[in-house]
Amino acid sequence: AQSVSQHNHHVILSEAASLELGCNYSYGGTVNLFWYVQYPGQHLQLLLKYFSGDPLVKGIKGFEAEFIKSKFSFNLRKPSVQWSDTAEYFCAASSSYNQGGKLIFGQGTELSVKP
Amino acid sequence: DTAVSQTPKYLVTQMGNDKSIKCEQNLGHDTMYWYKQDSKKFLKIMFSYNNKELIINETVPNRFSPKSPDKAHLNLHINSLELGDSAVYFCASSQDVGLAYEQYFGPGTRLTVT
Repeated sequence: AQSVSQHNHHVILSEAASLELGCNYSYGGTVNLFWYVQYPGQHLQLLLKYFSGDPLVKGIKGFEAEFIKSKFSFNLRKPSVQWSDTAEYFCAASSSYNQGGKLIFGQGTELSVKP
Repeated sequence: DTAVSQTPKYLVTQMGNDKSIKCEQNLGHDTMYWYKQDSKKFLKIMFSYNNKELIINETVPNRFSPKSPDKAHLNLHINSLELGDSAVYFCASSQDVGLAYEQYFGPGTRLTVT
C-alpha cells in the first residue's frame, strides 16, 4: 500500500540548533513530494516541493529537502531553527499511481523550539 | 485576499444534527478537495472534485455528501452527526487534477460534536 511515514513524532530543539526531519515513502511510479507546515491554529502552508530535476530543493524560510530515490526518502532540513519555527510539519506525496493527484500525508512531526 | 476560505471556522453541534461547511477558492483552480484532520493531526483525503465532477471518493460514510455548485465552491454536508466526526476539516484546491499540481489549503473548520 502507498504510504508516507515520518520518523519523529515530536522534536524539541533549542534556537540555533540544526534540524532534520525524516520522511520515507513507499510508492510506485512517478512521485512528487511535499513538505507542509502548520503553525498553531493555522492552515497548512507549502514549505517546498519536489517534482523532478535537482534532488535538493530549497523552500521558504530557509528550509530545504533532499530527495534520495534509492532510500525512498525526502528529509527536511534547516541549519538553524528559530522559535518561530515551532509548528507541525507534514510530509506528503502524490504518485502517478494515485487517482486524481491524491496527496497521502505522513503522521506529522511536532517541532518545539525553545528560545 | 484569501485564496481558499471556509465557513464557519468553528462549529459545535449535537449528535444527530445535520450541518454544512462551505469552501470557496478565488484562485481560478479547477480542482478542489476535502481533507479530515483527526485529533492526532493525521490528515486524510475525503473527496476531490474536478470541474464540478467527483473524481475521488475515499471510504467515507455516505452521511458525508460533497456538493460543487461551480468550480470555485465545494461544500460538505454531513447528516446525522456522530461523536467520531469531531475533527478539523480542511478544504484545498489545485490548478488541475494530477500529481503535478500543488494544493492550497483553507484555514480549516473545527467541528465538535457533543
